[in-house]
Amino acid sequence: QQQVKQSPQSLIVQKGGISIINCAYENTAFDYFPWYQQFPGKGPALLIAIRPDVSEKKEGRFTISFNKSAKQFSLHIMDSQPGDSATYFCAAPISSGSARQLTFGSGTQLTVLP
Amino acid sequence: NAGVTQTPKFQVLKTGQSMTLQCAQDMNHNSMYWYRQDPGMGLRLIYYSASEGTTDKGEVPNGYNVSRLNKREFSLRLESAAPSQTSVYFCATLSAGAGGLGHTDTQYFGPGTRLTVL
Repeated sequence: QQQVKQSPQSLIVQKGGISIINCAYENTAFDYFPWYQQFPGKGPALLIAIRPDVSEKKEGRFTISFNKSAKQFSLHIMDSQPGDSATYFCAAPISSGSARQLTFGSGTQLTVLP
Repeated sequence: NAGVTQTPKFQVLKTGQSMTLQCAQDMNHNSMYWYRQDPGMGLRLIYYSASEGTTDKGEVPNGYNVSRLNKREFSLRLESAAPSQTSVYFCATLSAGAGGLGHTDTQYFGPGTRLTVL
């Protein structure tokens, strides 16, 4: 019952290249779209997030692009570096039960070759 | 500040054994969560707790129980471990942002417990 569908499952990019990870959602009530980054052996950590009233948000080499009509948002990593090698998760908030929750995509394992 | 801490880091169990995974936070967050992470499956919510004294089932609660001991601590118990519970388990808290649903909510994760059930 994944509410955000993430692709690709894995991605290999050369150093200096652009990494692009995509997520699609169904629930138009989502109003906040974060991306989490997870290094091997560590827990995920918030990387960057966007609200749907803007089409793009940039922080350093990381950019989120948001397409409301297509119900898609994507993470772009410019000038990818070996240190960016990690698993990336998109997420969205859901209203379910007694606590606020995030629903996560299935993850993308990014490998940046030196 | 330690953030979210989990013990143990690694554990190997035999089928049928029981164990408790411990989680503690010093971030003063009300909500706490237990996830499991499996290859290709992302993060799946097992149980969560909106506040001290309350717990609720998530997406995959079967075979698990939880206890919210106080505001700081949230434990996950496997009563009779099965090989299907081999996974990496993460505890997390949530910092709720102001405004509407989920607006700027941030989840803080512990370092994880790698559990193998033989």
